Amino acid sequence: DAEITQSPRHKITETGRQVTLACHQTWNHNNMFWYRQDLGHGLRLIHYSYGVHDTNKGEVSDGYSVSRSNTEDLPLTLESAASSQTSVYFCASSGTTYNEQFFGPGTRLTVL
Amino acid sequence: QKEVEQDPGPLSVPEGAIVSLNCTYSNSAFQYFMWYRQYSRKGPELLMYTYSSGNKEDGRFTAQVDKSSKYISLFIRDSQPSDSATYLCAMMPLGGYNKLIFGAGTRLAVHP
Repeated sequence: DAEITQSPRHKITETGRQVTLACHQTWNHNNMFWYRQDLGHGLRLIHYSYGVHDTNKGEVSDGYSVSRSNTEDLPLTLESAASSQTSVYFCASSGTTYNEQFFGPGTRLTVL
Repeated sequence: QKEVEQDPGPLSVPEGAIVSLNCTYSNSAFQYFMWYRQYSRKGPELLMYTYSSGNKEDGRFTAQVDKSSKYISLFIRDSQPSDSATYLCAMMPLGGYNKLIFGAGTRLAVHP
């Protein structure tokens, strides 16, 4: 069965360190998204990609970067982790339909 | 002011109750309206999708969109303990190409 996976599921890091969160999907979807979820804010879009070598900034992109070298993967990098980036991160993908995004299980990141 | 407002709850109801979940929005360009369900420590999953105004029914779930009032609702009939989850509304304008705007989510608890 097609799926979308994220790793690691939990991560604790220190301020200033570079952190990369992995997202891998086997749906063969062109569109991939990274969100963060915080209490009171719902899901906020960080970066998104519509295909290989395409990346775009979302609502809360400062301090984050992504690159898309193949269809299956969209890793999210925190260049220099800050305590404000403590959150739950979700990756999602979608095909050509305009409505359904399939979400991964999430990565819980704590920055100390 | 957020583009999409959603009461975070929590909402606690007895089993068998009718549940009403709501979102208001400010952007009149929104045309696609979705409800996602998110169980604890899981990724969101699409529950209902509506294009433009009107009602849509799927089993015990009914989604309503009132574009004149910029108000959407999700009704759950005969609620079950398995419905206990966070419900997120999401919206997108025509041509938004999968860039969803999410509400903060309403936490629902259905007790036996």
